[in-house]
Amino acid sequence: DARVTQTPRDKVTEMGQEVTMRCQPILGHNTVFWYRQTMMQGLELLAYFRNRAPLDDSGMPKDRFSAEMPDATLATLKIQPSEPRDSAVYFCASGLDYVEQFFGPGTRLTVL
Amino acid sequence: LAKTTQPISMDSYEGQEVNITCSHNNIATNDYITWYQQFPSQGPRFIIQGYKTKVTNEVASLFIPADRKSSTLSLPRVSLSDTAVYYCLVGGGYQKVTFGTGTKLQVIP
Repeated sequence: DARVTQTPRDKVTEMGQEVTMRCQPILGHNTVFWYRQTMMQGLELLAYFRNRAPLDDSGMPKDRFSAEMPDATLATLKIQPSEPRDSAVYFCASGLDYVEQFFGPGTRLTVL
Repeated sequence: LAKTTQPISMDSYEGQEVNITCSHNNIATNDYITWYQQFPSQGPRFIIQGYKTKVTNEVASLFIPADRKSSTLSLPRVSLSDTAVYYCLVGGGYQKVTFGTGTKLQVIP
């Protein structure tokens, strides 16, 4: 049963520290998404890639967030420096197009 | 992007059929309608997708009228485990889709 995996599952860090979240998409999927979910804002699309190329990262705060796909099996989302308002659950999803997305279990980030 | 409107919350008793309606007045010709389900502490999960008329799978049915300006997700005989948030999305192919606020369904014993 193919699944999207994300690491770490939980991360607690202090303000100003760098945070890196990793995602392994389902083998063969060519589209990868990063989402952030909070109670106040709901599920927000941060960035997405097709065939490893970034197509849209307009949802990300550009000054501190960056998303990359070093290869087809790894997507990363970095926050540097982190701030308390970045506390959220970050989901990675993969798919063959933008409609049917398979979500990972999420990374719960707490920035103190 | 086509905007969607759905009820914020719904309650239902166990065993009843639940219908959640989504409005998408500015749906485009190429757009599909997709529904996701999200349980607490989990990522959303794809439930069903359709373009027009009716689609049924082992989990739900999706009804889409001829004008496609709305759609209804039907969950037959819900159980407590169907308590979740249900999202309606419109889009498709290589067009970006956006999750709205969703409908929080509470199933009551």
